[in-house]
Formats: sequence, structure tokens, C-alpha cells
Amino acid sequence: EPEVTQTPSHQVTQMGQEVILRCVPISNHLYFYWYRQILGQKVEFLVSFYNNEISEKSEIFDDQFSVERPDGSNFTLKIRSTKLEDSAMYFCASRADRTGNYGYTFGSGTRLTVV
Amino acid sequence: AQSVSQHNHHVILSEAASLELGCNYSYGGTVNLFWYVQYPGQHLQLLLKYFSGDPLVKGIKGFEAEFIKSKFSFNLRKPSVQWSDTAEYFCAVSPNQAGTALIFGKGTTLSVSS
Repeated sequence: EPEVTQTPSHQVTQMGQEVILRCVPISNHLYFYWYRQILGQKVEFLVSFYNNEISEKSEIFDDQFSVERPDGSNFTLKIRSTKLEDSAMYFCASRADRTGNYGYTFGSGTRLTVV
Repeated sequence: AQSVSQHNHHVILSEAASLELGCNYSYGGTVNLFWYVQYPGQHLQLLLKYFSGDPLVKGIKGFEAEFIKSKFSFNLRKPSVQWSDTAEYFCAVSPNQAGTALIFGKGTTLSVSS
């Protein structure tokens, strides 16, 4: 079964540093997403990406965050200057068609720890 | 704004007990509904989904859910739980529109004792 692949699985960074989280969505999917889950809290939507541009973003996704799909396969989330409260599990997801008939397929996540 | 409520924060059951986890959502239009499971240390996995048709949906591992439109509910059920069902369960809703994101409930922790 096709998978969404995320790297690294765990990243530790110092406060103020830039981090890039990487995702390889399922190849024929059209929509790409980033979600995060702070320890003990619910999964929160960050941003969706379609046709090489952001289609929707949440209040969490401020100017410190950016996404891009540089080469048609990778889908990256960049945090420019990390804060302690950015520590969370970050999930990438992709889905195929307009009404989500294939559901969302989630990656295994990247655990980001900001120290 | 859409929201999803999961009524039970932590459910503790013995093996072979029946399970029902509540989920209510607030959105007036057509929705897609999902239940995800997250086993300890693992990623989110889709248990089942509802888009249209029969409101009783069967998923993997013996789980099922019933969509009751009048109650804005999508409760998850399993007649007999196993120790291996110990996990976090998330209900999620997406308006039936292109590109919309999933809105998750806060999750329910299920602990099954053998």
C-alpha cells in the first residue's frame, strides 16, 4: 500500500534555528497537508497545498512557517526561527481527489524538539 | 467554524467488553467523517470513513461507526475489544469541498486490560 514518507523521524534543534521537515506524499495525490500534535493535545491543521500554492492555512501558520514543493515529489515545511512552543509531532498527509474519496494518508510524523 | 467534540477523554475497559466512543460535529453542510487510531509511538491510521450512502460504516479490525445526521454524530463501536485496541482514537470531519482540511477532535484514550 502506498505510503507517505517523512524525514527525519526525530529532530532536536536549538531555539531560534531554522528547521526543514520533509515529506514525500503519495505520487498521484493532488492535495498535501501539514498537521501538528503537541504532546497530549489534539491534532491541529496547519496548511494545505494544491497546484503548487497554499489553498488554506490556519492561525497557527504564521510568517515563521512556509511550505514548498521544490521538485514535484518532496513537500517541505520550514520553520524559520523555532520557538520552544513549536515542539510537537508534525504530520504530513496527502489525498487524491477533490472530495477526499481516498481519505487522507498520513506519514509517520517528525518529532520536533526545540531546546 | 467547524468543530468536533469527543465526549470521552479516557475510557478503560476489560477485554471482551463492548466499546462506544462518542463524536459530535458542528457543521451545517455535507461532511466527510473519519475515525483514526494512533497506537503508542505510531502514526495516525484510518479506521473507517463515511462519505455517503449507508450510514453504518464498517472499518478495519472489527470497528464500525454510525452516522446520524439529525444528531450530527458519528459514534465508533466495537462489540468486543481486545488488549491490542489500546490506543488513542480521533474523530475527524471535513466539509465535502475540494481541498478542505480535516478538523480533529481532542481524542479518546482507550485502555484495555487483559
